[in-house]
Amino acid sequence: ETGVTQSPTHLIKTRGQQVTLRCSSQSGHNTVSWYQQALGQGPQFIFQYYREEENGRGNFPPRFSGLQFPNYSSELNVNALELDDSALYLCASSLEGQGGYEQYFGPGTRLTVT
Amino acid sequence: SQQGEEDPQALSIQEGENATMNCSYKTSINNLQWYRQNSGRGLVHLILIRSNEREKHSGRLRVTLDTSKKSSSLLITASRAADTASYFCAISYNNNDMRFGAGTRLTVKP
Repeated sequence: ETGVTQSPTHLIKTRGQQVTLRCSSQSGHNTVSWYQQALGQGPQFIFQYYREEENGRGNFPPRFSGLQFPNYSSELNVNALELDDSALYLCASSLEGQGGYEQYFGPGTRLTVT
Repeated sequence: SQQGEEDPQALSIQEGENATMNCSYKTSINNLQWYRQNSGRGLVHLILIRSNEREKHSGRLRVTLDTSKKSSSLLITASRAADTASYFCAISYNNNDMRFGAGTRLTVKP
């Protein structure tokens, strides 16, 4: 088990609603990345935060936004939920930029949009 | 596509056999990482190999990287039922971005 935790574990929302997912990083890590994983697919990079600033983003619309706090925990916010947003959302923390270091993943939040 | 592509999509072997999975990519990379995922849970880091490295080992795992062919392979020796999982390669082109492939689903039969 890594030291990365995510909440909630499962979540059911209806189309059009907004959702906030939370992640606590591994101790000592200042970088957090968020991924969306649809069933049977690999994780898709949403964005990365380094020392409270977004410093990398994948091909996701602006209704996907995030925050990183001074203690390096993080939130992923999704507005105007769509059915295709149903997926496993994973956060991962790392020491410095995700591409250069191994990432420690949390167990994920399973989001279902109906 | 900037992501890695794993091959095969699925692999089924008997316990004790070796399993080999491959990952190909299209442009120059910074490094390549392999991860394992059990049943839709969080991913577990296996090995990171940098672009100037050719081979790395960790226990029963061996990873090779051929930058001229833009490919990497993950070898699991003497497989066990507990190795049953999905395996992903992740390509990094810089320190701010990492792209996963669709994965190889490995089944090890007891």
